[in-house]
Amino acid sequence: EPEVTQTPSHQVTQMGQEVILRCVPISNHLYFYWYRQILGQKVEFLVSFYNNEISEKSEIFDDQFSVERPDGSNFTLKIRSTKLEDSAMYFCASPVPTGGDDEQFFGPGTRLTVL
Amino acid sequence: TQLLEQSPQFLSIQEGENLTVYCNSSSVFSSLQWYRQEPGEGPVLLVTVVTGGEVKKLKRLTFQFGDARKDSSLHITAAQPGDTGLYLCAGARAAGNKLTFGGGTRVLVKP
Repeated sequence: EPEVTQTPSHQVTQMGQEVILRCVPISNHLYFYWYRQILGQKVEFLVSFYNNEISEKSEIFDDQFSVERPDGSNFTLKIRSTKLEDSAMYFCASPVPTGGDDEQFFGPGTRLTVL
Repeated sequence: TQLLEQSPQFLSIQEGENLTVYCNSSSVFSSLQWYRQEPGEGPVLLVTVVTGGEVKKLKRLTFQFGDARKDSSLHITAAQPGDTGLYLCAGARAAGNKLTFGGGTRVLVKP
């Protein structure tokens, strides 16, 4: 089964610091996604990235957030100045288009704790 | 704004009983996916349904997509303690689009 990997598994940071979350999505796919899940709440969409550009972003994805694909395999989510409310699990997802279906495979997540 | 409502939020049953989880929306989805999530881990895809009225079976799990592609259900037959977990439904408006998640149903199967 295809696998998405994420690092680090857990990141603890002080409020106001920058963090970079890393993802290695399933190779040879054009779409990549970031989602987050605050403890006890729904999984929420943050941003989608298609062909090296942001294709859609949610209201959560404000100017403090950015995504990059620094090389052919890695995909990063940067939060410039973290806030307490940014504490959440962050998931990278990579789809596998198969005959019209889109199955999004999720990574194991990065738990971000902002103190 | 698309919303997916899952019910019930929590379900506790005895081993061997059947259960059904519902996922409802007022919006039409191109596809609907069911995931299972363990604490501290990412959602794991169970199945994708794309055709109105479609029924898919995965061992003791039966997934149905409503005719109008607005709702779905997950039925577990003869539940086992290993079925305990958080079940999530998520819909996409079109291929390649973001997923909108329901709030999840936490299932507890007691031995």
